[in-house]
Amino acid sequence: AQTVTQSQPEMSVQEAETVTLSCTYDTSESDYYLFWYKQPPSRQMILVIRQEAYKQQNATENRFSVNFQKAAKSFSLKISDSQLGDAAMYFCAYKETSGSRLTFGEGTQLTVNP
Amino acid sequence: KAGVTQTPRYLIKTRGQQVTLSCSPISGHRSVSWYQQTPGQGLQFLFEYFSETQRNKGNFPGRFSGRQFSNSRSEMNVSTLELGDSALYLCASGRQGYGYTFGSGTRLTVV
Repeated sequence: AQTVTQSQPEMSVQEAETVTLSCTYDTSESDYYLFWYKQPPSRQMILVIRQEAYKQQNATENRFSVNFQKAAKSFSLKISDSQLGDAAMYFCAYKETSGSRLTFGEGTQLTVNP
Repeated sequence: KAGVTQTPRYLIKTRGQQVTLSCSPISGHRSVSWYQQTPGQGLQFLFEYFSETQRNKGNFPGRFSGRQFSNSRSEMNVSTLELGDSALYLCASGRQGYGYTFGSGTRLTVV
């Protein structure tokens, strides 16, 4: 079974600084999808960024980018120019190419200090 | 376009009762998935419905069931509620591989 591990339960960053959240996963599949979701206190899970495993290029979305290392099964999220609104719980998630089941990591609580 | 709508937002039930939660997906999305979120177990997949058929099921007891209607709206039912069923229940809709949009969830408290 696939597993997703986020080894940092909590992280903090100063406003305008850069922070990297770690995620590792285990799978025997060669093609799959990886996601980062953000869950603020409002509880709604918000998609931050997605990566298709067969694409070598790291995904980027404005201030958010990933470092996808397929061989190492690592998928870290970099947040540049951190803003107060980035404070939330961040979840890494894995999905096989078929079906819609997402396997989530334990989450990393990010605090942004003014 | 409207997002994923879950109702009700909060619910308090007594042990032994049953509960039904509702989820309306984004228009055009035929896939609806349900997740349970608890502090101890994190986010766990319950089941997925696609075109009114259950396509995938997580490792939950038979007390947890669901269905999907022809308009893609989905309901989740939990019978014989236990204290451990207290959780945030999240619904997601989407298209395969494109990421999934979640609703704001239903907070269920069993007393």
